[in-house]
Amino acid sequence: TQLLEQSPQFLSIQEGENLTVYCNSSSVFSSLQWYRQEPGEGPVLLVTVVTGGEVKKLKRLTFQFGDARKDSSLHITAAQPGDTGLYLCAGGGTSGSRLTFGEGTQLTVNP
Amino acid sequence: NAGVTQTPKFQVLKTGQSMTLQCAQDMNHEYMSWYRQDPGMGLRLIHYSVGAGITDQGEVPNGYNVSRSTTEDFPLRLLSAAPSQTSVYFCASSRTGTGGSWYGYTFGSGTRLTVV
Repeated sequence: TQLLEQSPQFLSIQEGENLTVYCNSSSVFSSLQWYRQEPGEGPVLLVTVVTGGEVKKLKRLTFQFGDARKDSSLHITAAQPGDTGLYLCAGGGTSGSRLTFGEGTQLTVNP
Repeated sequence: NAGVTQTPKFQVLKTGQSMTLQCAQDMNHEYMSWYRQDPGMGLRLIHYSVGAGITDQGEVPNGYNVSRSTTEDFPLRLLSAAPSQTSVYFCASSRTGTGGSWYGYTFGSGTRLTVV
């Protein structure tokens, strides 16, 4: 079974601060995704990265896939209260039929 | 588009009862999956399907059955509910694009199941 470990599990910061969430595995993944989940809702896809070393930016969010495709990071610049939520990384193959999820990072951004 | 629709949103079962969690998608996605989410354990794959008539087991399939007679529907059946099946269940669908690229999953809003 492929495992994905996320760190930290919980993160509470003030508005305007920067933060980084990590997703690590001993396994190689063909693709890695980041989702954001709000209470009472299903996860919503933020980004998919497929190439080792790939960097994608989504407004204030920067996603990076490790060179060896075993790890990924999510960096948020100038966090806002609207960024509060559970961030999940998920690794899978090229077909997407099976995804392995990390346990998630619960982010709270205080105004 | 409605996306992925799950029913019911909440359910309480007694131990030993059976029930079916419904999932329907209107995006013509070929891939569909069922996950359960428990505190501190992320999402774990129960069963998945790569197309109508094709299903396979995920990480935690025991106690659950699935079938996929149409592209749109992917119901999850609990055969004999146990307290360990108390969880939030998510159905998700996805598709591949040109050149084999993959678009990631669209999730439903979940079914919160309590087994007493």
